[in-house]
Formats: sequence, C-alpha cells, structure tokens
Amino acid sequence: QQQVKQSPQSLIVQKGGISIINCAYENTAFDYFPWYQQFPGKGPALLIAIRPDVSEKKEGRFTISFNKSAKQFSLHIMDSQPGDSATYFCAANSGSARQLTFGSGTQLTVLP
Amino acid sequence: DVKVTQSSRYLVKRTGEKVFLECVQDMDHENMFWYRQDPGLGLRLIYFSYDVKMKEKGDIPEGYSVSREKKERFSLILESASTNQTSMYLCASRGFQETQYFGPGTRLLVL
Repeated sequence: QQQVKQSPQSLIVQKGGISIINCAYENTAFDYFPWYQQFPGKGPALLIAIRPDVSEKKEGRFTISFNKSAKQFSLHIMDSQPGDSATYFCAANSGSARQLTFGSGTQLTVLP
Repeated sequence: DVKVTQSSRYLVKRTGEKVFLECVQDMDHENMFWYRQDPGLGLRLIYFSYDVKMKEKGDIPEGYSVSREKKERFSLILESASTNQTSMYLCASRGFQETQYFGPGTRLLVL
C-alpha cells in the first residue's frame, strides 16, 4: 500500500527558531512531493513542492530538502513566526489521475 | 483565484440518514476529489473523478458514493450515515497543473 509517513505529530518552536518536519515514502513511482499548510477552519493550501530531480527547493523562509536514495523529504521553516502556526501535510503524487497520498500531518505551534 | 465551495460548513445528522455533501469549483477543472480528515490519520481519499460521469474509488470508498453530473459539481453521498463517518470532509479540484485546491471543509457529526 502506498504510504507517506510523517513526523513529528506535533511540534512547538520558539519564534525565530527553525521548524523541521520529516516525511518518508515507499513507492519509488512517486514523482511530485508537495507540502500543504492548513489553518484552523480552512482547507489545506499548497505551500511548496519539489520534484525528485532536485535535492532542495527554497521559497522565502520555506525549504524542502529531498533525499531520493533514502526516500525521504523534509520541510524546513526558517525564522519561524507565530503566524506559521498551522497543520502541515506532506504528500506524494501518483497514479494516472495524479491523486495525492498524504502524510498524517504535523501541528506546528510557534510561541511568541 | 480558484474557488472551491462546499455546501455546508457544519452538519448534524442521525444514524441511518442519507447525507449529501456538495462541492462546486469555478475553474473548469477536470479532476475533483473527496477526502476525509481525521486527527492522526491525515487526509484519506474517498473518491475522485477525472471527468463528468466518471469516478474512481480512493483508499476508503466503503459506505460512500459520488455523483458528477456537471463538470463543476462533485457530490459525496452517505447512503446510510453511521457514527464512524463523523469527520471533516474536504473537497478538492485540480486542473492540468499538479496543485490541488481545497474547499473549506464540512464538519459532519453523525449521532
């Protein structure tokens, strides 16, 4: 069964610190790895995504690191802010209809 | 901006009732998806549709059915609601790009 394993389940970081969320996958057919951010009362929204032909992608304070040989990818949030407090989901794309397989989510709290 | 709307934000139903959840997108997207979100389990795909009148089972289709009669509208149906279907239901749509756009979700409570 296709799975994406995400850790930790919850994370508390001080303002200005680095938040790191990790994901691991099994299916080598996955070829697109997005991260979604969800605020309370809202649906998830795409934050950043990477393809396996690069090892890192950076957008502002958010960076995805990708390790193809280990089948792992992670989200790094630099200079974390209270406004970053949300639930983060990693995902991987597969299938002819490009459906996403999601990780279990990480609830991030950034303390002021 | 892409807009995905869901018919209700909150619903309370009784066991055995038939429940309709409706989703509408305004971007002419081919693909639409229904997920349920439960704490610690992430988002799990129930059904998806890649064209009008076409549907495919996701990971957890049991107890659910779907309908897509028009391109912009994708309905999720609980034929006989049960308490284990209490959850947050999220609809999403996707065009040719990879990004899925989600609605705000419907929180369903089955008593």
